[in-house]
Amino acid sequence: DAGITQSPRHKVTETGTPVTLRCHQTENHRYMYWYRQDPGHGLRLIHYSYGVKDTDKGEVSDGYSVSRSKTEDFLLTLESATSSQTSVYFCAISESLLRDSPYGYTFGSGTRLTVV
Amino acid sequence: AQSVTQLGSHVSVSEGALVLLRCNYSSSVPPYLFWYVQYPNQGLQLLLKYTTGATLVKGINGFEAEFKKSETSFHLTKPSAHMSDAAEYFCAVSWGLGGSNYKLTFGKGTLLTVNP
Repeated sequence: DAGITQSPRHKVTETGTPVTLRCHQTENHRYMYWYRQDPGHGLRLIHYSYGVKDTDKGEVSDGYSVSRSKTEDFLLTLESATSSQTSVYFCAISESLLRDSPYGYTFGSGTRLTVV
Repeated sequence: AQSVTQLGSHVSVSEGALVLLRCNYSSSVPPYLFWYVQYPNQGLQLLLKYTTGATLVKGINGFEAEFKKSETSFHLTKPSAHMSDAAEYFCAVSWGLGGSNYKLTFGKGTLLTVNP
C-alpha cells in the first residue's frame, strides 16, 4: 500500500546479531502494529503503538522491542536474533476501530527475515 | 478467553462453485469483524468488515459475509469462484467498548485453492 512502507523487504542475519526493521507511514494514523506471520499460526501481534512514545506488548513480545519517536515511524528491534525469529514481519496502521468508523487496518508488504 | 477460529486450513473448490470459508469467535462483548485476503508474497488486503448495522456485509471481488450473533459466526461466501480468488483468507476480530481496544486478533488462515 502506498501509505505504508517496510524496510528492508528481505534480510538474512546471523544468530546473535541485532536487527532493526522499519515501518514508515504517510497517513498520519495514530495506531501502528507489528505482526509476525508463520505457517499454521496466522498473524500474531508482537507490539503495538497508540501514539508517539506510547507502546505496549502483544502476545509474542519476548525477544522484541519497539520504538516510536515520531508519528510516521515504528521500529521493531530484535536485540539478539534467534532462529525462532525467522518469519515474515508485517507492519499495520489504523486510525480507529470505533463502531461508526469505516477504518480497518492497512498492511505493509512485509519483511522476510531469515536468521541463520 | 476471547478467540477466533477458522474452520479448515485448506479449502478446495472448482471454478464456478460456491466458496464458503468459516469463521467463529468467542466473546463476551460484541465484536468488530473483518475478513482479509493475502495473495502470494503480498501483504493483507481488507475484503470486508462488520462494525454495526446490517449483518450482511458486502465486500470487494464479489465476496460477502453475514454476522450471526446467535451462532457467533462470520462466514465468508462467494457464489461463484474464479481462478483469481486463490489466496489465503484471514478472519480477524477486535473487541472493546468505546473504541478503547484497537488490536486485531487473527485466525490462523484458510488457504483457498480454485481448480479449473
